[in-house]
Amino acid sequence: AQKVTQAQTEISVVEKEDVTLDCVYETRDTTYYLFWYKQPPSGELVFLIRRNSFDEQNEISGRYSWNFQKSTSSFNFTITASQVVDSAVYFCALSSGGYNKLIFGAGTRLAVHP
Amino acid sequence: EPEVTQTPSHQVTQMGQEVILRCVPISNHLYFYWYRQILGQKVEFLVSFYNNEISEKSEIFDDQFSVERPDGSNFTLKIRSTKLEDSAMYFCASSEDTYYEQYFGPGTRLTVT
Repeated sequence: AQKVTQAQTEISVVEKEDVTLDCVYETRDTTYYLFWYKQPPSGELVFLIRRNSFDEQNEISGRYSWNFQKSTSSFNFTITASQVVDSAVYFCALSSGGYNKLIFGAGTRLAVHP
Repeated sequence: EPEVTQTPSHQVTQMGQEVILRCVPISNHLYFYWYRQILGQKVEFLVSFYNNEISEKSEIFDDQFSVERPDGSNFTLKIRSTKLEDSAMYFCASSEDTYYEQYFGPGTRLTVT
């Protein structure tokens, strides 16, 4: 079975704090893809990153970084020096098994306060 | 920058009525999807579409639902006889190839009364 767990329902931080959003996934497939999406208050889903199961290199994009660890089936997302504009719901998603549908986690609501 | 568009942004309908939600995927994309998000909940897959046929559908996508690509640009989701529990945000998405990132439209909020 394929599953994505985002155990943190809500996180509240003060601006400039670093914050890590956790994502744990389950799949029996050896080939799979992991994604992060951002859903700001306006409601759209914004693609952030895609990572395949054969590439465990961490990725950094500006203030965003992602840590992929197959040993713990985790794909965590860190925002460095958070800003109010980072306030949103963040979804981790998985695609595997020869199908390209996205299986989403429940999402983590991040509130960044000034 | 190319984007997925959806119309209408909000649709209110009465239980039992048919609704058609419309989407224009990104022009060079080959894979199309519908997802839904009940208020405050996770995003759920409904159906994927490739080469003019359904490639996969979820348990939610029963006989009341259908999809169509009536021309070279539009991709539609039809709900034949809406129920109260169909009230949700419906997102269309498209991707260039299988397992590529999916780009989502702004969504259509469907309210069934």
